[in-house]
Amino acid sequence: GAVVSQHPSRVICKSGTSVKIECRSLDFQATTMFWYRQFPKKSLMLMATSNEGSKATYEQGVEKDKFLINHASLTLSTLTVTSAHPEDSSFYICSALFPLAKNIQYFGAGTRLSVL
Amino acid sequence: AQSVTQLDSQVPVFEEAPVELRCNYSSSVSVYLFWYVQYPNQGLQLLLKYLSGSTLVKGINGFEAEFNKSQTSFHLRKPSVHISDTAEYFCAVSVSGTASKLTFGTGTRLQVTL
Repeated sequence: GAVVSQHPSRVICKSGTSVKIECRSLDFQATTMFWYRQFPKKSLMLMATSNEGSKATYEQGVEKDKFLINHASLTLSTLTVTSAHPEDSSFYICSALFPLAKNIQYFGAGTRLSVL
Repeated sequence: AQSVTQLDSQVPVFEEAPVELRCNYSSSVSVYLFWYVQYPNQGLQLLLKYLSGSTLVKGINGFEAEFNKSQTSFHLRKPSVHISDTAEYFCAVSVSGTASKLTFGTGTRLQVTL
């Protein structure tokens, strides 16, 4: 079964609103989680690394004020897309580092965001 | 910095035929290598990984890959594919010895037909 749960799987929102996406590690504690963005027929682009109890580390070119990441517990990281615009429409995927095998990332099922 | 090249964006193959999906990487340091599979509108599932040891790695669903350091390659193979193997396949690399981020290739679409 899935070891990482991502919710919601799909969300449609109006331009200007904010959307929160949750990523939960199931049955294990993940001090490090990652957020990716995937454009149609493209590879995954790492947006940020989320560390429990500290600020996220954003990749170059990713607006930290637009994509707010919170990793308040060892099993939950959230990504909030603030003031969403149509160009933010994409497939967002999270992953968690499995503590017993630190080089292995387990991925959530992804969230399809559509901004109207 | 590391980079991954998947030269084939699409690979069509008939069911029960063998397949090879190519992956080449570039890095100035030692790396770990991974293959992930993505089914439509889903996240990524780990197929197999190379961390160290034997260069021939076996994964789930009958897939295997061979790490070739001299050719900086990590090609994925399956001797006989099924319709259900139709998916997007991503090769990825991370710096060895650390819990570091993954760098992905652009993906290869494997299309299996009857």
